[in-house]
Amino acid sequence: DTGVSQDPRHKITKRGQNVTFRCDPISEHNRLYWYRQTLGQGPEFLTYFQNEAQLEKSRLLSDRFSAERPKGSFSTLEIQRTEQGDSAMYLCASTLRASAQETQYFGPGTRLLVL
Amino acid sequence: DAKTTQPPSMDCAEGRAANLPCNHSTISGNEYVYWYRQIHSQGPQYIIHGLKNNETNEMASLIITEDRKSSTLILPHATLRDTAVYYCIVRAPTINTGTASKLTFGTGTRLQVTL
Repeated sequence: DTGVSQDPRHKITKRGQNVTFRCDPISEHNRLYWYRQTLGQGPEFLTYFQNEAQLEKSRLLSDRFSAERPKGSFSTLEIQRTEQGDSAMYLCASTLRASAQETQYFGPGTRLLVL
Repeated sequence: DAKTTQPPSMDCAEGRAANLPCNHSTISGNEYVYWYRQIHSQGPQYIIHGLKNNETNEMASLIITEDRKSSTLILPHATLRDTAVYYCIVRAPTINTGTASKLTFGTGTRLQVTL
């Protein structure tokens, strides 16, 4: 069990540029979540995948954001035309399967700074 | 999911037990209490969860009151490495695979362990 990994760990970009983050969940975990965390706040839910299907999106996920999980394994989160307000930590979490006591395991996050 | 209330900060001497309280007076009968912690610049780390009974694992103990309106996370022998933000989260069980079991984080308790 190597844990959830995320890449890159840090990203600095200029306003207006596109960025893409990758998340590799724990092997065989079929549920994957993305969260965003701004300074001083707890993480906020963005979106959720069951295998390759994106089943739920938060209102926080504007049309500049898109997430994919093409083969039901790794996932990518892309932000187009970045804005300074997108500066945050982007966290990925995975779980094995749906259960009453589903436990999410988080990756280390990708810290984005938009200049 | 029910809302939780935690003190914003607490201090604890190294080697002593850290007792972190959480109020969740509107919790429903089937909602679980989860605890995560987040060490600076890292992703949240799962600690423990419970429904009605007290729970213990290698990291901590969780004490849930009989009426389930509050709980306490106990770190029996706090070390400097336990300095982190601790989040208490109440979450309904996953009903089906199409439903995201999103975690709703508050601002947590910042625990400072000192020498």
